[in-house]
Order: sequence, then structure tokens, then C-alpha cells
Amino acid sequence: DAGVTQSPTHLIKTRGQQVTLRCSPKSGHDTVSWYQQALGQGPQFIFQYYEEEERQRGNFPDRFSGHQFPNYSSELNVNALLLGDSALYLCASSWTGAETQYFGPGTRLLVL
Amino acid sequence: KNQVEQSPQSLIILEGKNCTLQCNYTVSPFSNLRWYKQDTGRGPVSLTIMTFSENTKSNGRYTATLDADTKQSSLHITASQLSDSASYICVVSEGSNDYKLSFGAGTTVTVRA
Repeated sequence: DAGVTQSPTHLIKTRGQQVTLRCSPKSGHDTVSWYQQALGQGPQFIFQYYEEEERQRGNFPDRFSGHQFPNYSSELNVNALLLGDSALYLCASSWTGAETQYFGPGTRLLVL
Repeated sequence: KNQVEQSPQSLIILEGKNCTLQCNYTVSPFSNLRWYKQDTGRGPVSLTIMTFSENTKSNGRYTATLDADTKQSSLHITASQLSDSASYICVVSEGSNDYKLSFGAGTTVTVRA
């Protein structure tokens, strides 16, 4: 079992561009959550997907959107990138009703 | 204002020594509290999960305590090893919304030989 995988590992974009990050959940997991972690801070919840729908959302603008596919993998899209979007983006998967989320290694995004 | 506060922000200890990290939270209603270990550049890894009815839980050399009345938790690391150098994050789950997690900023632990 490969666990939670994310791609790409690193990414550099410029202000105003759009970015798509990808996440494959741990085998058997049906729920995917996305987090933004700024340097030196704890992760901030962006949103969670279950059954291909956004189930819950944190305090992030509409520039942040996502999608979940029938195979439970997920994408995070960020439009009109700002310098402040530079962060580590973490994906976590879980089985509905289970307490433990398993995190991926993250995608480090740098916006110049 | 963050609902989960951790202290200290960072600490340095010698290999073999013990240390205790603190977590205070204001999340209400409370469902469960988790401690994660995050190595530099990696995703967090779960160490312990405690519900409001549990007041201690161990995972090897890591022991977490919880006082739901005072809304405080601690993580005690015994006989520290160099591999314990990491950020330790306290995470509190709100009510029945297990996906509504509040994360602390973490405590960075550096273990030196």
C-alpha cells in the first residue's frame, strides 16, 4: 500500500496563474481533506470531499476549488495565485467514520 | 484567534532526556484530541487520539494526557532519541464534525547528541 500520494512534490508559479494539485488516497479510503500549511504554522483546513462532493469548507476564498473522482482521488485548484498562497499543501485521507486521517507528503507551492 | 494554543514554540533537549509539550484548546463542543508528529518536509503522522472520556494514552515512548475539564493536553516524550526531532502538532476535533479539525501551530523539538 503506497499510502497517500501527492503530486507534484514542488511547484513554482507566478502571481495570477492557476495551479492544480493532485492527491491519491490510501487504499480503502473514501474521504479526502485538503490543508494549507504556511511555514512555521499548523495546517489550516481548506475543504473535504466525500462521494465526489464538497462536504465541508474552511475559511478559504472561492479561488480555492476542488474535485473528487469516482476512484476517490482528488484535485485542489487555486486560481489567480497570490504571493500569500505560497505554502505546503497537504492532502489527508480517511475512511468515513474513522478517527484517523493519514496525510500525504504534501506539495510545496512557491508563488513568485 | 486560534482555538488551539501550543507551548513552548520550540525546545532543545539532550538525547536520552524527557520533555513535555503543552496544548490548550477552546474548541467546543469537543470530540477528540490528537497529537501528530511532523518531520521536516513531510506530512503529519498520527501519534495518539483521545476522546473526552480518556485521560491518558501511550504510543511507545510518547504518552499523551488529557484534562477535558481544563481543556488541556500534554505530550510527554521519554528517553528522547535523535529521531524525535520534529514538529509536534496538537489537533482538536469539534463536536460531531470530525472533519472540522483545529490545528495548533506546533512545537518544534530538537534532540541533540
